[in-house]
Amino acid sequence: QSVLTQPPSVSAAPGQKVTISCSGSSSNIGNNYVFWYQQLPGTAPKVLINDNDQRPSGIPDRFSGSKSGTSATLGITGLQTGDEADYYCGTWDSSLSAFVFGTGTKVTVL
Amino acid sequence: QVQLVQSGAEVKKPGASVKVSCKASGYTFTSYDINWVRQATGQGLEWMGWMNPHSGNTGFAQKFQGRLTMTRDTSISTAYMELSSLRSEDTAVYYCARVDTGDKKWDYWGQGTLVTVSS
Repeated sequence: QSVLTQPPSVSAAPGQKVTISCSGSSSNIGNNYVFWYQQLPGTAPKVLINDNDQRPSGIPDRFSGSKSGTSATLGITGLQTGDEADYYCGTWDSSLSAFVFGTGTKVTVL
Repeated sequence: QVQLVQSGAEVKKPGASVKVSCKASGYTFTSYDINWVRQATGQGLEWMGWMNPHSGNTGFAQKFQGRLTMTRDTSISTAYMELSSLRSEDTAVYYCARVDTGDKKWDYWGQGTLVTVSS
C-alpha cells in the first residue's frame, strides 16, 4: 500500500469547490516537494501542480496546491464536468529512496 | 512540440521478459530524466524508476530490483524499460514520463503501453 493517503472520492456540484488531501510523513511530504496529477478516464496522467504549488503553463488557476507539514492539498474551484477524473499526489520519499504516489482520489461532479 | 511515443501493446507468458520503448522528440533527449510508472487495471499509479539519458544512471523502486533494466539509445532519442521474470501481477499499462534533471519537475507523459502477462 502507498505511504501517501488520499480520500477515495470527493464530489460537488458544478461551480463548487473541492479539496483533496494527501497525508504523508517527514520522510516524504515533510521534506520534499509535492506534485499533483490528473488522470482523465482512459488517458495518461497529466501534471497539474509541481513543487507544492506551481502550475505548469496551460493549467488553469482553478487548480491550486498547498502544503503544510506532512500534508498537502489540491483545490479545484469552479468545478466543471470535465474535471471528473482521478487525482494523485506524489513526492520523493527519502527513506525509501523512491518516488511515491498517493492512493488516488476520484472526483465526481454531481 | 515535445512528444513521448511508446511502443505497442505486448502479450507475454509468465517468466518471459518485456521491453518497452519510449521515443522522445521535440527537445534535447539527454537534458531530461525519463521516469517509468505503471498502472494495473483499476488501480493507482506505481513508480518504477528513473534514468538519466545523459549519464545512463538509473534508480529503481526496491520491489523491482533485480528484474528491471533501463537503457537508452541517444542516437535515436529512445529510452527502454525491460522487466524480466514476468508474472500475472505485472499486467498493467506502463508509462514513461519526462522529468527535469535539475528541478525535478514533471511534464510530458507517453501514451502508455499495455503489457499483458498470461499463460
